Amino acid sequence: AQKITQTQPGMFVQEKEAVTLDCTYDTSDPSYGLFWYKQPSSGEMIFLIYQGSYDQQNATEGRYSLNFQKARKSANLVISASQLGDSAMYFCAMRGLNTGGFKTIFGAGTRLFVKA
Amino acid sequence: NAGVTQTPKFQVLKTGQSMTLQCAQDMNHNSMYWYRQDPGMGLRLIYYSASEGTTDKGEVPNGYNVSRLNKREFSLRLESAAPSQTSVYFCASSETPGLAGASGNEQFFGPGTRLTVL
Repeated sequence: AQKITQTQPGMFVQEKEAVTLDCTYDTSDPSYGLFWYKQPSSGEMIFLIYQGSYDQQNATEGRYSLNFQKARKSANLVISASQLGDSAMYFCAMRGLNTGGFKTIFGAGTRLFVKA
Repeated sequence: NAGVTQTPKFQVLKTGQSMTLQCAQDMNHNSMYWYRQDPGMGLRLIYYSASEGTTDKGEVPNGYNVSRLNKREFSLRLESAAPSQTSVYFCASSETPGLAGASGNEQFFGPGTRLTVL
C-alpha cells in the first residue's frame, strides 16, 4: 500500500531564512510522481512543485526546491528566503503512474509559521 | 477563466438529509476528483472520474455517489447524510496523468465546501 508520512506537525522559521519540510513515502509502484501543495488559511489548495520518480535532477520552482532522495524514499520541500506569506499548511502527495495515476494520496501536512 | 468552481461554499444538514455538491471546471481537463479533508488529516480521495463517462472509487467512497455529467461537471451526492460526513469537500481536475510530459499533471482544486451534518 502507498503511504505518505510528514513527521513535523508544525515548524517555525525566521523570515528570510530557509526551511526544510520533511516527507517520506512508501510505494511498490516503480513509476510515481511526488507533489507538494500549499494550503493558506483561506483554505484553497495551491500546487507548488512536482518530481517524477525517474527525473534525474531535483525539481525547482522559484523559491521552492524538492530534495528528492529515491533510495531513502524522501521528498523534502525546501523553501528559501521565507516570507510571511509562506505561513500555511503544506501537504506532500504521491501518485502512482503505473496504476493509472488517478489515485493521489496525501500526507497529514506540516503547518509552517514564518516569524517576522 | 474561473478554474474549478464549487457550490455551495457552506452547508448544514440534518442527519438523514440528502444533498448534491456541484463542481465545474473550465480548463478542458479530462480527469476530475472529489476529496474530503478532516481536521489533522490530509485529503482523502472519495471518487474520481478518469474521463467523461467513467467514475471509480477512491479511498473512502462509502456513503457517496458521483455523476460525471459532462466533461466540465462532476457532482458528489450524499444520499443520507451522517455526522461522520462532516468535513471540507474539495473538487479537483487535471489533465490525464502521464499524457503531458514532465509536468506531472498536477491537480487544480476548487475553493472547497464546508459541510456540517448535525
